[in-house]
Amino acid sequence: SAVISQKPSRDICQRGTSLTIQCQVDSQVTMMFWYRQQPGQSLTLIATANQGSEATYESGFVIDKFPISRPNLTFSTLTVSNMSPEDSSIYLCSARESGRETQYFGPGTRLLVL
Amino acid sequence: TQLLEQSPQFLSIQEGENLTVYCNSSSVFSSLQWYRQEPGEGPVLLVTVVTGGEVKKLKRLTFQFGDARKDSSLHITAAQPGDTGLYLCAGANDYKLSFGAGTTVTVRA
Repeated sequence: SAVISQKPSRDICQRGTSLTIQCQVDSQVTMMFWYRQQPGQSLTLIATANQGSEATYESGFVIDKFPISRPNLTFSTLTVSNMSPEDSSIYLCSARESGRETQYFGPGTRLLVL
Repeated sequence: TQLLEQSPQFLSIQEGENLTVYCNSSSVFSSLQWYRQEPGEGPVLLVTVVTGGEVKKLKRLTFQFGDARKDSSLHITAAQPGDTGLYLCAGANDYKLSFGAGTTVTVRA
């Protein structure tokens, strides 16, 4: 199984600022994903982080708001840009190996925007 | 609209009782995964079921994947307070997971 860590674990940010969340996997994985979980709700996929190319965003999420990097097979970042209180949420990194069905999640980053 | 419908949304039972959580969809999935999430933590994978009709047991937890690979159930026998948490089912198609809304389970001592 893959072990995933995220930094920071939580943050409180001011409206209009940006926060970059880091995700590190302990092994090389083909696929990495970013999810959002709003309070009391289930997980919504933001985008698939592609190594060496632009991320693939889901409907309702755009690159200008959530730029993503994936420089190698073990690391990815998600930036939440120009934050507003509506961005307050848990942001979760996830990873999966090609050809395998199992997907693992990091502990999440709890973001509060004031 | 959730692709996967989970029921019930909330479940509160006494220690020692049994419980079942259901996950239903009109879509066929290549696999289905169950996670448990505790407050302040990320989802932790419990099981992945791949074959239609498959039954997997994990100590007191029994997972079943429907024959048509559209639905699944999670049964917990003799629940304990440590089973308390948010249970999430997620269906996989291509490389994407679609999550149900979750079932919040509370086991009272």
